[in-house]
Amino acid sequence: SQTIHQWPATLVQPVGSPLSLECTVEGTSNPNLYWYRQAAGRGLQLLFYSIGIDQISSEVPQNLSASRPQDRQFILSSKKLLLSDSGFYLCAWSPINRGNTEAFFGQGTRLTVV
Amino acid sequence: GENVEQHPSTLSVQEGDSAVIKCTYSDSASNYFPWYKQELGKGPQLIIDIRSNVGEKKDQRIAVTLNKTAKHFSLHITETQPEDSAVYFCAASRYNAGNMLTFGGGTRLMVKP
Repeated sequence: SQTIHQWPATLVQPVGSPLSLECTVEGTSNPNLYWYRQAAGRGLQLLFYSIGIDQISSEVPQNLSASRPQDRQFILSSKKLLLSDSGFYLCAWSPINRGNTEAFFGQGTRLTVV
Repeated sequence: GENVEQHPSTLSVQEGDSAVIKCTYSDSASNYFPWYKQELGKGPQLIIDIRSNVGEKKDQRIAVTLNKTAKHFSLHITETQPEDSAVYFCAASRYNAGNMLTFGGGTRLMVKP
């Protein structure tokens, strides 16, 4: 069966520090991968999606970047965090080449920038 | 692009009552509509979905209806229980959009015992 792992679960970082959140998927090949952000009490905002290694699209211009160094690994990064980067970050995957279908979410990382 | 509106943002019901959450979407080409449940501090999990060739789908106490003409779909939970308390999200996507889901703003459902 497929599983998605996301870490860390919680993170407190000072303003101006770098960020690296990692997500890996097991049990499937060539998944579509996504990073979402959820601000407190708000909906899910798509940040990045990837249909393959080094194929990443950004939905919202911001202080963050994403990379996909391996087929099932998706990394969210920032060189210098802002206070506004605080939120709940969710990684998700969906099967490729199956039309539109559900996305499977990780457990999330709660990031607090202080 | 697609825009999904979800109402209400909060909903409080008594245990045993029914709960209804409604969503509207803007892209008439959307044809897949999942509903997710998010418990506190966790990632969303799919609870039910519907495709545009179906008007209604039911799974035990939950059901989803779709009106393509009006571009709205709804989640119905009957005989609510305290463990139904969570945030619920609707979403929409279309076949040739890289499987990208556009989410509604979420509904916080509170079921009072």
